[in-house]
Amino acid sequence: GAVVSQHPSWVICKSGTSVKIECRSLDFQATTMFWYRQFPKQSLMLMATSNEGSKATYEQGVEKDKFLINHASLTLSTLTVTSAHPEDSSFYICSARIVETQYFGPGTRLLVL
Amino acid sequence: SQKIEQNSEALNIQEGKTATLTCNYTNYSPAYLQWYRQDPGRGPVFLLLIRENEKEKRKERLKVTFDTTLKQSLFHITASQPADSATYLCALDPFQDTNAGKSTFGDGTTLTVKP
Repeated sequence: GAVVSQHPSWVICKSGTSVKIECRSLDFQATTMFWYRQFPKQSLMLMATSNEGSKATYEQGVEKDKFLINHASLTLSTLTVTSAHPEDSSFYICSARIVETQYFGPGTRLLVL
Repeated sequence: SQKIEQNSEALNIQEGKTATLTCNYTNYSPAYLQWYRQDPGRGPVFLLLIRENEKEKRKERLKVTFDTTLKQSLFHITASQPADSATYLCALDPFQDTNAGKSTFGDGTTLTVKP
């Protein structure tokens, strides 16, 4: 089956630093990937759509300068949280679609101190 | 505005019983609806997809129904087991091409199956 990996699985950083999260499709190519964030006991909230070779599309209310997305190849998308603050602490999950079905990565837990 | 509601935040049942989870939506015309399972600290895992012109779908102990008149989907797990304990999310996908691929997720229902 389709496998999506994320790295790192968890990260702790100081306020003001930047953190990069990688999302890889291991056994298929993905022209489009999605980035979500999830707070405890809440739903998945779509942040942006990552498109290979072009700019990402951000959802309303998501700061594109704060959450930088790069989709440099058909198997890799990266999300960089720039100048992270404690309120950015969350669970970040990426996904890639094959036809109608989304395959999710295992998620990255970010804690900003 | 579009809204997806899953019946309850938590559902506790006894092993062997059938678990029934509900997903209701308003102000939405989905092309299809999907159910996912999410374990704590993990990403969601796809379970079943049902299209707007389908009434019912089955996969092993799982059954999904879709009533576009009631704007509701029911998700059943028969002969439930403690290993079925997890949070179950429903997700709707729109017809519109401009929003293609943008699933909208419900808040989830946490199922606990007691031995």
